[in-house]
Amino acid sequence: KAGVTQTPRYLIKTRGQQVTLSCSPISGHRSVSWYQQTPGQGLQFLFEYFSETQRNKGNFPGRFSGRQFSNSRSEMNVSTLELGDSALYLCASSLEFQGMAKNIQYFGAGTRLSVL
Amino acid sequence: EDQVTQSPEALRLQEGESSSLNCSYTVSGLRGLFWYRQDPGKGPEFLFTLYSAGEEKEKERLKATLTKKESFLHITAPKPEDSATYLCAVQASINAGNMLTFGGGTRLMVKP
Repeated sequence: KAGVTQTPRYLIKTRGQQVTLSCSPISGHRSVSWYQQTPGQGLQFLFEYFSETQRNKGNFPGRFSGRQFSNSRSEMNVSTLELGDSALYLCASSLEFQGMAKNIQYFGAGTRLSVL
Repeated sequence: EDQVTQSPEALRLQEGESSSLNCSYTVSGLRGLFWYRQDPGKGPEFLFTLYSAGEEKEKERLKATLTKKESFLHITAPKPEDSATYLCAVQASINAGNMLTFGGGTRLMVKP
């Protein structure tokens, strides 16, 4: 069974540009979450999507947005990039079970974004 | 606000030298505590999930335990391939969906 797939693996952008990252969850998983990982702040939750609806959102500015498609694939977008947005962006998927309690999240390898 | 603190930040062990990693947490209604392993350049790899105080789980040289305030990851007779960053995370309250709050991690280095 294929794991969580994130594309691209690496990206280099300049300040002010926008970027779109893609995530394909494990087959059958309907929940997709996004996290930002930096050396200073560690792993921080961005948002979660389930059945094409945002279910939860972390404490990030509105420049960070996402969406989920009917096949559960998800994209996140960052507009007006800043130097501080340089990070590893991780996607995780989980299998919904009995009202979402006790779900394990499986992570992809991440997209390394560098903003110059 | 949910908080997770891991200690130590870094740990150097000789091969075969057992030790424990600590994860202290403050949450409103713990739904689950998770341990992940992360190798450089890779995403976190799921190890264990614990749901209630007193629960223990084992996998090879690793054993995770849970109390009402903290969790320990015990590493018995570690090998160099156990070198990685170990992350602890909590999932709190039914309304939070699958959101995880992570600790800062413990970077483990095992020398042959």
